Amino acid sequence: EVVLTQSPPTLSLFPGGRATLSCRASQTVDTYIAWYQQKPGQAPRLLIYDASNRAIGIPARFSGSGSGTDFTLTINYLEPEDSAVYYCQQRRWGPLTFGGGTKVEIK
Amino acid sequence: QVQLVQSGAEVKKPGASVMLSCTTSGYTFIDFYVHWVRQAPGQGPEWLGVINPKTGSISYSPKFRDRVTMTRDTSTSTLYMELSSLRPDDMAVYYCARDLWDNGGYYPRLWGQGTLVIVSS
Repeated sequence: EVVLTQSPPTLSLFPGGRATLSCRASQTVDTYIAWYQQKPGQAPRLLIYDASNRAIGIPARFSGSGSGTDFTLTINYLEPEDSAVYYCQQRRWGPLTFGGGTKVEIK
Repeated sequence: QVQLVQSGAEVKKPGASVMLSCTTSGYTFIDFYVHWVRQAPGQGPEWLGVINPKTGSISYSPKFRDRVTMTRDTSTSTLYMELSSLRPDDMAVYYCARDLWDNGGYYPRLWGQGTLVIVSS
């Protein structure tokens, strides 16, 4: 199965700043990567699919890029509500797999 | 609006089975695949499999293939997931999640509230 490795484990940033989250796949997944946001006690929320497409209702502050094995989620103009754990997920090769997550803390 | 409402928390002993339900509303049930995903405390999500409600065809994760059964009831727009031979490390929140697209895009998009399964002797 495809292993997704996310880095860094934790990011601590100020409001208004920029967060850059990385997801690396153990083999190419083309652009079949999604990003999710999860807050405590809630289900994951789809942010980005196919590497760079925002899901309905997701602010333009969230953007995704990458292809092959290296992917990035960028969050601009950080807001306190962006505090969460972010996961990547691939659908190129079965079974679907998720990364271990990056926790974003807003100072 | 689209909703996926899951059954309540379960407490099971090791070796037992658990069956969870996921009742959908607000969309045409047979049009969207539904995934089952679990999340152990402090861990990332883990995919168990996906069912096509129109045909009943299923794709299971190899890790769970011998212990999981997914079914659906089109008359009540409800999905079911049974996990057998429970072990303590099966303790997790189990989610059902509707796919993003109506052709099986394999991105879980709309999630239920989750069901906590506790496995303890």
